[in-house]
Amino acid sequence: EPEVTQTPSHQVTQMGQEVILRCVPISNHLYFYWYRQILGQKVEFLVSFYNNEISEKSEIFDDQFSVERPDGSNFTLKIRSTKLEDSAMYFCAMQGPTEAFFGQGTRLTVV
Amino acid sequence: DAKTTQPPSMDCAEGRAANLPCNHSTISGNEYVYWYRQIHSQGPQYIIHGLKNNETNEMASLIITEDRKSSTLILPHATLRDTAVYYCIVRVEGGNNRLAFGKGNQVVVIP
Repeated sequence: EPEVTQTPSHQVTQMGQEVILRCVPISNHLYFYWYRQILGQKVEFLVSFYNNEISEKSEIFDDQFSVERPDGSNFTLKIRSTKLEDSAMYFCAMQGPTEAFFGQGTRLTVV
Repeated sequence: DAKTTQPPSMDCAEGRAANLPCNHSTISGNEYVYWYRQIHSQGPQYIIHGLKNNETNEMASLIITEDRKSSTLILPHATLRDTAVYYCIVRVEGGNNRLAFGKGNQVVVIP
């Protein structure tokens, strides 16, 4: 199974700080996604990204969130001013021809 | 907005076949049935998917009823490492289509 790499694996940040979560994509995969999972809750879709632009986003993905591929390789999720309720596991995913592959996640803790 | 119904939890005996049911009575003609699992807050892992024919791979078998309103994921010889939350999801294959996770079925394999 192709591997999707996310960094960091765990990040602790103070409320109000900016965080950037990174994902190294699988080559030749064109569709990228971010999901999050608050502890004990279900996996929630945040945003999908295709051809260097957002193709769909959920209600959760407000103005505090942004995504980009700054260097054509890494895929990043930025949270501008973190809130306590942003604490969650954040998963990056890549869509292949038939199935999606997920990274192991970044555990974000906002204190 | 999950379109499937699964039991919230089930136990199965190590070494025995585990049969995981899923109802998807409103599935559309072009939607596939996908199965993913999540082991202890790791990233979701693809298992198998199918349209209408039964499918088998190295991980599991997928049995879809003729009317496509329900399906069963079969783990032929459950091991302790199969303990996970299993998600049944319906979606169009490939392309820019996000996965809509429900609460899934917490499967515990008992020694």
